[in-house]
Amino acid sequence: EVQLVQSGAEVKKPGESLRISCTGSDYTFVNSWISWVRQVPGKGLEWMGRIDPSDSYTTYSPSFQGHVTISADKSISTAYLHWSSLKASDTAFYFCARHPPKAVIGVDFWGRGTLVTVSS
Amino acid sequence: QSALTQPASVSGSPGQSITISCTGTSSDVENYDLVSWFQQHPGKAPKLLISEVTKRPSGVSSRFSGSKSGDTASLTISGLQPEDEADYYCCSYAGSSTWVFGGGTKVTVL
Repeated sequence: EVQLVQSGAEVKKPGESLRISCTGSDYTFVNSWISWVRQVPGKGLEWMGRIDPSDSYTTYSPSFQGHVTISADKSISTAYLHWSSLKASDTAFYFCARHPPKAVIGVDFWGRGTLVTVSS
Repeated sequence: QSALTQPASVSGSPGQSITISCTGTSSDVENYDLVSWFQQHPGKAPKLLISEVTKRPSGVSSRFSGSKSGDTASLTISGLQPEDEADYYCCSYAGSSTWVFGGGTKVTVL
């Protein structure tokens, strides 16, 4: 079955940079887009953006454009979410999720999430 | 790109049916038959229940069904069971390879 394995929890200070990862297995990684979704503890899901691992083309929610960068390394079936300067308001769970090969269909399989805590 | 509108909470007794609405706009729900529904239990990742408005993935109970009329999509849970107590989210394609989620609905089994 499709698996998305995310990197472990992170504790960072405001202003620091961070990259978290999502590694896909048991499917053809380049055939399926990966989306990133934020969930502030106790709050709802927010779609952040997605990447096509075959060519690294990305689209972002206007709410997150310019605040995060999504990238991928297809040689190791891994997508990334990167912050250059974290803020306390970035504290949240971050999920990666896969779109089926027919890309505009919404996501099907999800990673377990990465908790990012930003605190001075 | 505003979040889709869902009721904050819905409740029902075991065996009853409940319906969760998800209202969007002509830019998302109304314009595309690409609404998904997800179930999330506390501390867990979301799980796909319905895709493309009405399609149920293999392994998902037939008690879950989806529909859409105009700018509003709906998820119906029939024969409500205690394990259905969870948060439920809709998600719609919004054009230009972007998606938007609903605010989420907490389902309580009385």
